[in-house]
Amino acid sequence: SAVISQKPSRDICQRGTSLTIQCQVDSQVTMMFWYRQQPGQSLTLIATANQGSEATYESGFVIDKFPISRPNLTFSTLTVSNMSPEDSSIYLCSVVAGAIQETQYFGPGTRLLVL
Amino acid sequence: KQEVTQIPAALSVPEGENLVLNCSFTDSAIYNLQWFRQDPGKGLTSLLLIQSSQREQTSGRLNASLDKSSGRSTLYIAASQPGDSATYLCAPQKGGSTLGRLYFGRGTQLTVWP
Repeated sequence: SAVISQKPSRDICQRGTSLTIQCQVDSQVTMMFWYRQQPGQSLTLIATANQGSEATYESGFVIDKFPISRPNLTFSTLTVSNMSPEDSSIYLCSVVAGAIQETQYFGPGTRLLVL
Repeated sequence: KQEVTQIPAALSVPEGENLVLNCSFTDSAIYNLQWFRQDPGKGLTSLLLIQSSQREQTSGRLNASLDKSSGRSTLYIAASQPGDSATYLCAPQKGGSTLGRLYFGRGTQLTVWP
């Protein structure tokens, strides 16, 4: 299994500012992902955080808005840039772990409110 | 793109009942399927993972079945308890280069009252 922590757990931000969310895993993992959960909605994949190369973004998400870093196999950051109230969501990182089962594990999430 | 539908959207039952939560998905070419629970304002907890070659998987009071060809999975919860109250999400997963990219439905919001 994998234990994932995220910082901050929650934040309230002003529109136009940026927030960087950190994700730390207790073991080295190859695959790390960032998801967004807007109020009342299910989870949507933002991007795959690739170690040593640029992140791979899903349709509708762009690097300028959601820059991602992945400096090593245990850590990643997601920045939400130039925020607007529509960015108010829970942001979750996840990893795939387990040599055979390839179970996906999620962090506790970062709850963001943009005023 | 994978579309996931979960029925019912919400379920409210007295404790002790046996429950059935349904999940359907449009692309049956999956590698595995995972069931999660999400408590309000929290992250996701993995409950069960079924490989595409398996028909079912059990963990305690939970049993998940998979019919890959018809694009369906079912989560059975036996003898429900108030602590089971949460939103339950299923997520089929493709393999290869898309491994780890999960597509979620809106889930089933379960309330079990004493």
